Amino acid sequence: AQTVTQSQPEMSVQEAETVTLSCTYDTSESDYYLFWYKQPPSRQMILVIRQEAYKQQNATENRFSVNFQKAAKSFSLKISDSQLGDAAMYFCAYRSPNAGNMLTFGGGTRLMVKP
Amino acid sequence: EAQVTQNPRYLITVTGKKLTVTCSQNMNHEYMSWYRQDPGLGLRQIYYSMNVEVTDKGDVPEGYKVSRKEKRNFPLILESPSPNQTSLYFCASSLGINHEQYFGPGTRLTVT
Repeated sequence: AQTVTQSQPEMSVQEAETVTLSCTYDTSESDYYLFWYKQPPSRQMILVIRQEAYKQQNATENRFSVNFQKAAKSFSLKISDSQLGDAAMYFCAYRSPNAGNMLTFGGGTRLMVKP
Repeated sequence: EAQVTQNPRYLITVTGKKLTVTCSQNMNHEYMSWYRQDPGLGLRQIYYSMNVEVTDKGDVPEGYKVSRKEKRNFPLILESPSPNQTSLYFCASSLGINHEQYFGPGTRLTVT
């Protein structure tokens, strides 16, 4: 079974600065999908960014980008120009093409943004 | 508006009293699933359904039941809730197996 690990329970960043959240995963599959979800205090799960394992190019969505290192099984999220609204729980998730549409989540990282 | 709805949003109940958390989506999605969220563990899948009358276990199915009689609805049933089922529950749906999942707003359940 796949596992996803987020080693940073909490992170903080100064407004307008850049922060990187770490995620590692364990799998024997070669084709899979990786995601970062944001959960603000409203508890809503919001998809931030996704990466297909077969794509070498790192995904980017506005101020959010990933550093996908397939050999190292690492999938970090970089948030540039941090804003107060970025404060939330962030979850890394893995989806296997062989497990229906089940997402396997990491334990989460709480990001605090200081004004 | 395309959305996944859950009811109730908050529920406090006692051990052994049967309860149902409803989930409904208006996007004609085939795939629906239930997750529970616990501190430090992220979200874990309880059950999922690929279509009407087709359901299967996820990672943590013990103590839960589901049904999928209609495409839009996927209720989660706790026949005899226990305190270890105190958690935050999310319903999610997607167009198909390899499509993005849309999450409901969550249901906070407390079992005393």
